[in-house]
Amino acid sequence: AAGVIQSPRHLIKEKRETATLKCYPIPRHDTVYWYQQGPGQDPQFLISFYEKMQSDKGSIPDRFSAQQFSDYHSELNMSSLELGDSALYFCASSSGPTDTQYFGPGTRLTVL
Amino acid sequence: GEDVEQSLFLSVREGDSSVINCTYTDSSSTYLYWYKQEPGAGLQLLTYIFSNMDMKQDQRLTVLLNKKDKHLSLRIADTQTGDSAIYFCAEGSTSGTYKYIFGTGTRLKVLA
Repeated sequence: AAGVIQSPRHLIKEKRETATLKCYPIPRHDTVYWYQQGPGQDPQFLISFYEKMQSDKGSIPDRFSAQQFSDYHSELNMSSLELGDSALYFCASSSGPTDTQYFGPGTRLTVL
Repeated sequence: GEDVEQSLFLSVREGDSSVINCTYTDSSSTYLYWYKQEPGAGLQLLTYIFSNMDMKQDQRLTVLLNKKDKHLSLRIADTQTGDSAIYFCAEGSTSGTYKYIFGTGTRLKVLA
């Protein structure tokens, strides 16, 4: 069965650079969520989209933005990167805003 | 997660049963979930339980829910070394739109 695809899987950036993370949901899933998991931490909700509209916002810094495109894939744009942004970023998708979320493998971002 | 708590570590011998506990705070949660995370890997959905149920069994996994005490547990029968991982419980929060609030994670170590 198709799963959530995230790219890249690993990303190394320097401080103050920008990064773009991509997420391709399971086919026919219309809802996408982004979570951030710092080292030794639990995943924290960042932002979600339903039918290409932002549906909720969590602890996402103003330096980050995201959108969902017409094909339902989503991109998380991160600017002015800081050392503390180093984390595993998960995307999850669901077939509706209250349905079970299925997680991608994550993108590991390292900021040097 | 600040609202969902788990004990940090659990060590069991191969073949024994493991019980991982979780307490949550949002009494309006509709579903509660268990995810498994192996080192450097993504979040694998193990099972979930609807809030009007008190037990769900799925092969070696048994989930017990005490809604009155807001307590959730995951029992793994005949624990194997391949079960060594971090286990997260998550509640589906209806504050804003639907998103997951993860527990702090329990690191399960299975001794051969």
